[in-house]
Amino acid sequence: RKEVEQDPGPFNVPEGATVAFNCTYSNSASQSFFWYRQDCRKEPKLLMSVYSSGNEDGRFTAQLNRASQYISLLIRDSKLSDSATYLCVLHNQAGTALIFGKGTTLSVSS
Amino acid sequence: SQTIHQWPATLVQPVGSPLSLECTVEGTSNPNLYWYRQAAGRGLQLLFYSVGIGQISSEVPQNLSASRPQDRQFILSSKKLLLSDSGFYLCAWGRKRGANTEAFFGQGTRLTVV
Repeated sequence: RKEVEQDPGPFNVPEGATVAFNCTYSNSASQSFFWYRQDCRKEPKLLMSVYSSGNEDGRFTAQLNRASQYISLLIRDSKLSDSATYLCVLHNQAGTALIFGKGTTLSVSS
Repeated sequence: SQTIHQWPATLVQPVGSPLSLECTVEGTSNPNLYWYRQAAGRGLQLLFYSVGIGQISSEVPQNLSASRPQDRQFILSSKKLLLSDSGFYLCAWGRKRGANTEAFFGQGTRLTVV
């Protein structure tokens, strides 16, 4: 089983839609989780950290389910500018570096 | 505020030529530093990370090497490039927030080996 697995998509949604991405991880000892966003041919940028209790930042909500070893990202009221690839990320076992999923591509259309 | 600089932005090199990519960080001290590579249509692969001057850990065997001659300088090198070395190379620094380490990336170097 890969360390981090994501549905590659693409997810094609209209503006205003709600869309959810899931990500599963194999190392039950992982303690830190993140969502990054990567625009085409650009560097990844931190979108939000994922906390055990779940957290929200505007239209974005991240949740962690340790028992099932998955994290999720919910985007409400999608905007055209949300079109990007969303990367699920967690710490390696030593806690020294980040391991990235291959990403889920979102395309929001008008 | 912290900034990370990486150059060059694009590079075209012949097979067998050497490589040197440089990355510097400003506004922080003793950061964790990372080199990642993203091949076309693939995820980010961790190549090297460093927790201090002269301390380099390699994640995958390859013909690349890394060095950290100064606290905020990280260099990726190769003596002889292969076609398979083509990709998008990203340097990042790690900011510790409690138990988490958040990574912030430079703008990347798009390397094409021909």
